[in-house]
Amino acid sequence: SAVISQKPSRDICQRGTSLTIQCQVDSQVTMMFWYRQQPGQSLTLIATANQGSEATYESGFVIDKFPISRPNLTFSTLTVSNMSPEDSSIYLCSVLAGGQIREQFFGPGTRLTVL
Amino acid sequence: KQEVTQIPAALSVPEGENLVLNCSFTDSAIYNLQWFRQDPGKGLTSLLLIQSSQREQTSGRLNASLDKSSGRSTLYIAASQPGDSATYLCAANSGGGADGLTFGKGTHLIIQP
Repeated sequence: SAVISQKPSRDICQRGTSLTIQCQVDSQVTMMFWYRQQPGQSLTLIATANQGSEATYESGFVIDKFPISRPNLTFSTLTVSNMSPEDSSIYLCSVLAGGQIREQFFGPGTRLTVL
Repeated sequence: KQEVTQIPAALSVPEGENLVLNCSFTDSAIYNLQWFRQDPGKGLTSLLLIQSSQREQTSGRLNASLDKSSGRSTLYIAASQPGDSATYLCAANSGGGADGLTFGKGTHLIIQP
């Protein structure tokens, strides 16, 4: 398994500002993922972040709005840029880990409210 | 594009009952399927993972089945307890294990003491 921490756990931000969310894993992993969970909705994949390569974004998500860094095998950041109230969501990172059978493990999430 | 549907959206039952949560997916070419639990204000806890070659997995009072041909999975919870109250999410992995997951909207479960 993998133990994942995220910072901050929650934040309240003003419209037009940016917030960077950090994700730390207790072991080296190749693949990390960022998801968004809007109020009352399920999780939607934002992007896949592999160390040493550019993040791959899902349809509807762009790098200018959600820039991602992946400087090493245990850390990643997601920035939510030029925020609007529609960006109010829970943002979760996950990793693919395990031995013979690999599965996804999730961090506790960052609850973002944009005023 | 994979789509995952969960029914019912919400369920409230008395403590002690056995119950079944349903999940369906549109693309049967899945790599695996995971069931998660999400508690309010918290992240996701993985409950069970079923590989595409498997028919079911069991952990304690939980049993998950997978029928790829019909695009269905069920999560069976035996002898439900108030501590089982949470949102249960089904997620399909269609990309050879290396892609992100496609989630259903979840079943919000309340177990009445």
